[in-house]
Amino acid sequence: DADVTQTPRNRITKTGKRIMLECSQTKGHDRMYWYRQDPGLGLRLIYYSFDVKDINKGEISDGYSVSRQAQAKFSLSLESAIPNQTALYFCATGSGWNYGYTFGSGTRLTVV
Amino acid sequence: AQRVTQPEKLLSVFKGAPVELKCNYSYSGSPELFWYVQYSRQRLQLLLRHISRESIKGFTADLNKGETSFHLKKPFAQEEDSAMYYCAFPYNYGQNFVFGPGTRLSVLP
Repeated sequence: DADVTQTPRNRITKTGKRIMLECSQTKGHDRMYWYRQDPGLGLRLIYYSFDVKDINKGEISDGYSVSRQAQAKFSLSLESAIPNQTALYFCATGSGWNYGYTFGSGTRLTVV
Repeated sequence: AQRVTQPEKLLSVFKGAPVELKCNYSYSGSPELFWYVQYSRQRLQLLLRHISRESIKGFTADLNKGETSFHLKKPFAQEEDSAMYYCAFPYNYGQNFVFGPGTRLSVLP
């Protein structure tokens, strides 16, 4: 079983709709992250959380919000989706910088 | 500001040829660097860490502080090495990572 699970795997939504991407992990890691991947731009950090009561903005948080429902769950929401939010979204977990991250399989989101 | 550059978007080599994926960083401190790999239709996974001085799947990387580089090398490329490769390092006291834009390696038969 995957240790970092993202749902859905693919989603097409319309402009203006609210959408939630979910991430759950069985790694027992405290740190969870949401990244966005765009061709030629690599991965850019949206939000991160070090525990249930800790939420921090990344470099591109505008238009997004997150919820850390439990140590194992970290959701990303687009309150009103727009086409330039079409991208591949990755959730990642970590226990400390020197061990790197464990990534989920990604959610491919298309906003039409 | 901290930054990672990977100058090649695409690198094509023939099977058995040496391969070098370039990574340069801009950081005021002395970072610990990482390489991640993403095979087709798979998640990103950690390939190697400078801190552990390891060699994974025949790949090695040497940190050159004078040139601020952490190039990934393999003496004999295999077709299964075809993938996207990302260079990254932790910043903000290790709280986050900054990733380069990635290089797509294509190993031709």
